[in-house]
Amino acid sequence: EPEVTQTPSHQVTQMGQEVILRCVPISNHLYFYWYRQILGQKVEFLVSFYNNEISEKSEIFDDQFSVERPDGSNFTLKIRSTKLEDSAMYFCASRGVNPTAEAFFGQGTRLTVV
Amino acid sequence: GIQVEQSPPDLILQEGANSTLRCNFSDSVNNLQWFHQNPWGQLINLFYIPSGTKQNGRLSATTVATERYSLLYISSSQTTDSGVYFCAAEDTGTASKLTFGTGTRLQVTL
Repeated sequence: EPEVTQTPSHQVTQMGQEVILRCVPISNHLYFYWYRQILGQKVEFLVSFYNNEISEKSEIFDDQFSVERPDGSNFTLKIRSTKLEDSAMYFCASRGVNPTAEAFFGQGTRLTVV
Repeated sequence: GIQVEQSPPDLILQEGANSTLRCNFSDSVNNLQWFHQNPWGQLINLFYIPSGTKQNGRLSATTVATERYSLLYISSSQTTDSGVYFCAAEDTGTASKLTFGTGTRLQVTL
């Protein structure tokens, strides 16, 4: 069964460093998303991406964050100059041709900023 | 944006018991999904159910879109059902994002 794959599963980084979280969406999907979940809280939307551009972003997604689809398969989230409060589980999700179809989530990357 | 509320926040069951989890949402929806977050933090898709009823083994879900709620039924619960259950909804505006509820934390004991 096709699945969304995220790497790494865990990452520890020092405050102020840049991190890149990687995702391989399901191959024929067109809509891509990043969400995050701070420990013990609900899952929050960060950004959606379609047709090689951001279609929507939340207030959380400030200039510190960027997304890219560098090739036909990967979808990345870059966090510049990480802060302690960026520590969270980051989930990538994708959807097929229909923008209201079921969204499939990756297994998450647990980011710890120390 | 759409508001999503879940109840109860916490639930403790003995193995074999049945339970009903509720999700209320504030607007008409294009998409309503239920997830199980396992102890490793993974979000497992349970149901894609913007309306109607679906069943998958011991789990079933019903969404009454006109009344803006969805129910997740767990029958004959097992310890492996423990974890947090989230519902997430997308309103009927431009196709964008899922808004998650705060979850129901389920603990199934022997």
